[in-house]
Amino acid sequence: DVKVTQSSRYLVKRTGEKVFLECVQDMDHENMFWYRQDPGLGLRLIYFSYDVKMKEKGDIPEGYSVSREKKERFSLILESASTNQTSMYLCASSLRTGRDYTFGSGTRLTVV
Amino acid sequence: EDQVTQSPEALRLQEGESSSLNCSYTVSGLRGLFWYRQDPGKGPEFLFTLYSAGEEKEKERLKATLTKKESFLHITAPKPEDSATYLCAVQANFGNEKLTFGTGTRLTIIP
Repeated sequence: DVKVTQSSRYLVKRTGEKVFLECVQDMDHENMFWYRQDPGLGLRLIYFSYDVKMKEKGDIPEGYSVSREKKERFSLILESASTNQTSMYLCASSLRTGRDYTFGSGTRLTVV
Repeated sequence: EDQVTQSPEALRLQEGESSSLNCSYTVSGLRGLFWYRQDPGKGPEFLFTLYSAGEEKEKERLKATLTKKESFLHITAPKPEDSATYLCAVQANFGNEKLTFGTGTRLTIIP
């Protein structure tokens, strides 16, 4: 019954590496989102996409980019990883109306 | 700017001891208020969405209510398996479909 799948549970990367986080949803949702979660700060929106090849910046887009070539897949890219990007990354998807907002299980990224 | 404040930050209850978690919010036109449960190291699990003041929803030992300024998550006769962090989030009528989250209430149920 998996609906939003994130490709990795844990990742360890070195400073300066290019990092790809992948997310796939099987609910035919139009909207997809990337959040990061940090202690004391809650979840914050990095980027979202409301259609294939469409993207919009969220609240904290600096240092990140995204790609959505297919409706079911949304990728988060860290162009040059830094230690302050160590965090839990959560992918989510929803219907165009905003309903059925579902999260994946998360990727714990550590940048050393 | 939309804001969500959850209280208390942490709550310890004896098994069977009922209580409530609070979520206060300010939003430029509420589309929906969401409650999620999150276990350590996992993603948020959807519980409820409330859309208008006066609305209530129930699921097992949980009941969520909504007013124009806050939402409560009532937990009746909790069990140890209810231990988790409970997250509240709001979605505005205008904007980019994002959810604005509070920092959560960490609930521990002691057997």
